[in-house]
Amino acid sequence: KAGVTQTPRYLIKTRGQQVTLSCSPISGHRSVSWYQQTPGQGLQFLFEYFSETQRNKGNFPGRFSGRQFSNSRSEMNVSTLELGDSALYLCASSRTGTGGTDTQYFGPGTRLTVL
Amino acid sequence: GENVEQHPSTLSVQEGDSAVIKCTYSDSASNYFPWYKQELGKGPQLIIDIRSNVGEKKDQRIAVTLNKTAKHFSLHITETQPEDSAVYFCAALTSRGGADGLTFGKGTHLIIQP
Repeated sequence: KAGVTQTPRYLIKTRGQQVTLSCSPISGHRSVSWYQQTPGQGLQFLFEYFSETQRNKGNFPGRFSGRQFSNSRSEMNVSTLELGDSALYLCASSRTGTGGTDTQYFGPGTRLTVL
Repeated sequence: GENVEQHPSTLSVQEGDSAVIKCTYSDSASNYFPWYKQELGKGPQLIIDIRSNVGEKKDQRIAVTLNKTAKHFSLHITETQPEDSAVYFCAALTSRGGADGLTFGKGTHLIIQP
C-alpha cells in the first residue's frame, strides 16, 4: 500500500507570495492533518480535515488555510508569506482521525524556504 | 492546552547499550501516546504507541511505559544498533470530540556510538 505523498518536496518563495502544498493520504484514510516543523518550535499542529470539513485547528494565523477534496486529498495554503514561515510542512493521514483509536502516518514533508 | 516535555534533547550511547527517553504531559485527558522516529530528510515514522488503558507495551527491542498518575511515559530501546540513530519524538493526543492534533515533545537526538 502506498504511503502518504506530498508535493512538491521543495519550494522556494519570496516574502509576500502565497504557496499551495498538496497531500495525498493513504488509500482508505479519510482524515488528513497538517503540521509545521521548525528547529525552534518543533512540530506544531496546524489543522485537521475529515470528509472535506475542518474539524480542528491549531494556533496559527488566518494566513494558513486548507481544504480537503472528496477523494480525501488535501491542500494547504499560506498567503502573504513571511520569513518565519520557512519550515518543513508535514501531512499525516489516518482512517478516521478519532483520537485514541487511530494511528497517524506521516508523509516526507514539503520543505518551504521563504527568501 | 496540552504541553509535552521531552528529555534529554541529545542522548549518546554505545552500540549494544540501552537508551531511555522520557516525556511528561500536562493534560490528564490525554489518552494516546505515540513515539515517532525521524531520519534526516524524512517524515516522522511511528515506531510504537500506547493507549491510556495500558501500562506497558513491547515490540522486539522497543518498549514504552506509561504512568498516568505521574503523567509521564518513556521509550526504552535495548541492544541499540547504528540504525537506531535518529531524532525521536514523543507525542500526546487529547480526545474531545473529533480528532485533536498531536502535541509533540521537542525531540531527542539519539546517537549510537560504534
